[in-house]
Amino acid sequence: DTAVSQTPKYLVTQMGNDKSIKCEQNLGHDTMYWYKQDSKKFLKIMFSYNNKELIINETVPNRFSPKSPDKAHLNLHINSLELGDSAVYFCASSPTGANVLTFGAGSRLTVL
Amino acid sequence: AQSVTQLGSHVSVSEGALVLLRCNYSSSVPPYLFWYVQYPNQGLQLLLKYTSAATLVKGINGFEAEFKKSETSFHLTKPSAHMSDAAEYFCAVSEGNAGNMLTFGGGTRLMVKP
Repeated sequence: DTAVSQTPKYLVTQMGNDKSIKCEQNLGHDTMYWYKQDSKKFLKIMFSYNNKELIINETVPNRFSPKSPDKAHLNLHINSLELGDSAVYFCASSPTGANVLTFGAGSRLTVL
Repeated sequence: AQSVTQLGSHVSVSEGALVLLRCNYSSSVPPYLFWYVQYPNQGLQLLLKYTSAATLVKGINGFEAEFKKSETSFHLTKPSAHMSDAAEYFCAVSEGNAGNMLTFGGGTRLMVKP
C-alpha cells in the first residue's frame, strides 16, 4: 500500500483553467503538506495543515487553496492557472509535532 | 532565519568511489538536520536525521553524515558508490520539531559512472 498517494501523476492544461490535485495518506498522520518543486529542483513549502490549523506560506498566491475533507486527505486547488505554475507538486505528511516527512511521488503540472 | 547551501548542483563519481555531498547550514538555534534522496519520478525519502544525540549519523543504504558545529556543515558520505545511488540528494534544516519549519537546499544530483 502506498503511504502517500497523489493523483494525477501528470497534468497538462491551458492557462486560465482551474485544476485540482488530490492527496491521500494512510499513515494515520495528523499533519499534511504541499510543496512546490520548480524546474531547478528547488523545494518550497506552500501549506501545512492539520485538523486545527492551516499555515500558509505568505508567498503563495491566493489562487492556490488547500481543501481537506478529512485528516487523511489534503487536496490542492489552483484557479486561473499561469505559466509559472508549471512545476512538480509534492504532498507530504507527518505526525503532529514531528519534522520527518513522508512524501508522495509528485504531480507534474504543465501549463501551456 | 535558517538556510541551507549545497555546494555543487552535480557530482559525478565512478562506481566504487567515495561519495561526498556537501551541505552547509545557517541556524539561530541548535538545528535538526536531514538528508533526503529523490530517485527519478519519485518523492523524497528520508536518508538520515541529526537530532543532537550523536554527531555521526548513519542512514540507510550505507550513507552517513557528520555534524560539525564549528564548520556549520552536515556533509553526506558513502565509502563506495553503487549505480543505484544515482539520484537527487537534498539537505534540509529545521529549527524546531514541526514539519512546516523545514528548509531544503537546492539539491545535488549524484551521477555514478560504471
